[in-house]
Amino acid sequence: NAGVIQTPRHKVTGKGQEATLWCEPISGHSAVFWYRQTIVQGLEFLTYFRNQAPIDDSGMPKERFSAQMPNQSHSTLKIQSTQPQDSAVYLCASSLVGFSNERLFFGHGTKLSVL
Amino acid sequence: GDSVTQTEGLVTLTKGLPVMLNCTYQTTYSPFLFWYVQHLNEAPKLLLKSSTDNKRTEHQGFYATLHKSSSSFHLQKSSVQLSDSALYFCALSGSNTNKVVFGTGTRLQVLP
Repeated sequence: NAGVIQTPRHKVTGKGQEATLWCEPISGHSAVFWYRQTIVQGLEFLTYFRNQAPIDDSGMPKERFSAQMPNQSHSTLKIQSTQPQDSAVYLCASSLVGFSNERLFFGHGTKLSVL
Repeated sequence: GDSVTQTEGLVTLTKGLPVMLNCTYQTTYSPFLFWYVQHLNEAPKLLLKSSTDNKRTEHQGFYATLHKSSSSFHLQKSSVQLSDSALYFCALSGSNTNKVVFGTGTRLQVLP
């Protein structure tokens, strides 16, 4: 089992460009979570899918961020018109079915740098 | 909404000493609490979890007790090792959607 796979590991974009981050959950896991990690904010919840359906996107900045899960094997986080404050490590995690007592398995993250 | 508070940003200790990392939470739902540990350049991974009030849970020498009366889930270890140096996150799953929210994290630095 390869674990949660996130690509790319590093992404550098210019201000105003679009960035798409990819996540492949552990095979058989039906819940996928996205987080943004910064030193100041820690791990900020962004959004959460279960069985490919969006369940809770209360952490997503509404204007430029969007997430999709077109099939059970991958999810994407898209940031339009990137700004320097979007620079962070974006972490994807999966769990078996999304119950409250389940552990999350994290990927190594995508480090986004907006110049 | 649900929230987790970790008051210490950095804790520095000499190896062999005890440590307690603070975690308090807010939720209107029945809480499930977790501690995750993130070593340098690694992904966060689960250290321990609990939803049972006043019951100590232990793993790898670390332990924590969920106290619903004070909304706390502090992480403790009786004798820290150099390998315990890492970032520790407290997390809560308590909403009706089962989303998991994390605190800002506490960096534990263990000195020789």
